Amino acid sequence: QKEVEQDPGPLSVPEGAIVSLNCTYSNSAFQYFMWYRQYSRKGPELLMYTYSSGNKEDGRFTAQVDKSSKYISLFIRDSQPSDSATYLCAATGNQFYFGTGTSLTVIP
Amino acid sequence: EAQVTQNPRYLITVTGKKLTVTCSQNMNHEYMSWYRQDPGLGLRQIYYSMNVEVTDKGDVPEGYKVSRKEKRNFPLILESPSPNQTSLYFCASSWDGKYEQYFGPGTRLTVT
Repeated sequence: QKEVEQDPGPLSVPEGAIVSLNCTYSNSAFQYFMWYRQYSRKGPELLMYTYSSGNKEDGRFTAQVDKSSKYISLFIRDSQPSDSATYLCAATGNQFYFGTGTSLTVIP
Repeated sequence: EAQVTQNPRYLITVTGKKLTVTCSQNMNHEYMSWYRQDPGLGLRQIYYSMNVEVTDKGDVPEGYKVSRKEKRNFPLILESPSPNQTSLYFCASSWDGKYEQYFGPGTRLTVT
């Protein structure tokens, strides 16, 4: 079993839609949970992180971690074509563990 | 400009020919790491380093070597590359290895 599992997608939504991206993890010792965004032909960039459980909001983006169910979520409100990218969830124990990534396309 | 640089960006080589991919960061970060990214498998950590002369294996270290002799540099060495090491490789650095990593632009390696 992988340490972090991610819905593979791909996901295609119309502009303005609410997007929900999800991951699960297996190790209850993980403390930091992250979402990275990767545009085509680029390296990943940190989008948001959460320490332990709870919600974190940044503009149109909300990251959510539920440690009781080992669930990591990212919500994107009012999605824009510029949000089209691959989204990678990640968690850290003594090293970084990444999900396989979900490719998102927002159609104008 | 704060950045992580990798060289070369593209490399085609033959089985068994030793190669080195360089990685350098200018942010004085303690933590550096190497990943490979493959379709369907995502980003997998090869090796990481918490500081100079301190390195640890990640998930997929077989066939790779690293060294950290200076804080800013973290080269990845393939002593005898094989076709299953054909992949997209990323170097990354971080202050403390907890959550935020800065990634380089990637090196696309093809081993024939």
